[in-house]
Amino acid sequence: DLVMTQSPLSLPVTLGQPASISCRSSQSLVYSDGNTYLDWFQQRPGQSPRRLIYQISNRDSGVPDRFSGSGSGTDFTLKISRVEAEDVGVYYCMESTHWPYIFGQGTKLEIK
Amino acid sequence: EVQLVESGGGLVQPGGSLRLSCAASGVTFSDYSMDWVRQAPGKGLECVGRIRKKGSYYTTEYAASVKGRFTISRDDSKNSLYLQMNSLRTEDTAVYYCAGRWLGDWGQGTLVTVSS
Repeated sequence: DLVMTQSPLSLPVTLGQPASISCRSSQSLVYSDGNTYLDWFQQRPGQSPRRLIYQISNRDSGVPDRFSGSGSGTDFTLKISRVEAEDVGVYYCMESTHWPYIFGQGTKLEIK
Repeated sequence: EVQLVESGGGLVQPGGSLRLSCAASGVTFSDYSMDWVRQAPGKGLECVGRIRKKGSYYTTEYAASVKGRFTISRDDSKNSLYLQMNSLRTEDTAVYYCAGRWLGDWGQGTLVTVSS
């Protein structure tokens, strides 16, 4: 079975500093149409998840440009250029190339 | 503005049944596949299942953990998505979210508690 592995699982960050989350897949996420279906979600405390990034690097509407996604094949990264207080929460990567779609374990971002 | 509103959650005994609903507005509901995703208390996210649109024959997919027990359906005339849950187990206890537009839109979730 496909496994999505995120690291770190806990990420204390000073306000204004950058943050980076890694997501690795046990199989290639390149679909037969040539696209790679790897998304990133943010879940703030007490809220529903919100998609930030789709297909590796495309920001959803309303997502600040301090969030960026990169990667290919099996290795992907979410970067926050300057962490703000509203970024506190859990971040998940998710693949939707293969069914069942699999989420990573989640990375809890907190302010140091 | 897209709104997805889940309802139907509650407390049910093991072996019981429950039907969740998700009402959509602000979006052409029939254009999209729809998903159910759940989150057990204090845990991560799990895709429960998906139903495709009419053009893809309303085909469905299910996670192995719910296959044969849960059924997803939709009524495009009512902009509504459903999750029929039978033979419920304690491990099905979770907040259930409906999501659309390839998980770009999410509801607020509805809590299902399976306990005696």
